Amino acid sequence: GQNIDQPTEMTATEGAIVQINCTYQTSGFNGLFWYQQHAGEAPTFLSYNVLDGLEEKGRFSSFLSRSKGYSYLLLKELQMKDSASYLCAVMDSNYQLIWGAGTKLIIKP
Amino acid sequence: GAVVSQHPSWVICKSGTSVKIECRSLDFQATTMFWYRQFPKQSLMLMATSNEGSKATYEQGVEKDKFLINHASLTLSTLTVTSAHPEDSSFYICRATQGTNTEAFFGQGTRLTVV
Repeated sequence: GQNIDQPTEMTATEGAIVQINCTYQTSGFNGLFWYQQHAGEAPTFLSYNVLDGLEEKGRFSSFLSRSKGYSYLLLKELQMKDSASYLCAVMDSNYQLIWGAGTKLIIKP
Repeated sequence: GAVVSQHPSWVICKSGTSVKIECRSLDFQATTMFWYRQFPKQSLMLMATSNEGSKATYEQGVEKDKFLINHASLTLSTLTVTSAHPEDSSFYICRATQGTNTEAFFGQGTRLTVV
């Protein structure tokens, strides 16, 4: 079966760095997405990785290793507004998105 | 970036009534629309996939006669929850793609409460 695993919840301190991991097992691979979702709102796109390596976009970076079925989202200089759920999703060979359950990130002052 | 407009953003309805949710792609042609449901503290659950001009493909366990999906044009898809019940209360979100373009865009979501 297809499976996406990510931690349920993480806590970090304002100004610090946090890494949210995601491991996956899917039938085929057409890229991995990270989305941010605040409570009661729709997800917003953060990043898309289809090749191995690190993609940096401002305070957020996303890493992919296809051979290991592994990705992480790195958030630097954490701000209180970064408190949200972070969803990992993999697009399989049929271009269907397989979603993780999300990681709730709590930022403390 | 591309915009998908979804409305209403929230709706409260009586049990037994029907509710229609619309998603419009404002600046691109949405060849495929995905409809999701999300219960509190859970991830997105795909309900159905619709391609313009074709019947929607429903996920296992989703009643196609209860959740009517229409994708009559490249810019509009609708989800109608028929004979809604309190257990249908959830957050409904659409996601639109163009062709096999991997980039996709979410609507703002609709919070449905059935009383």
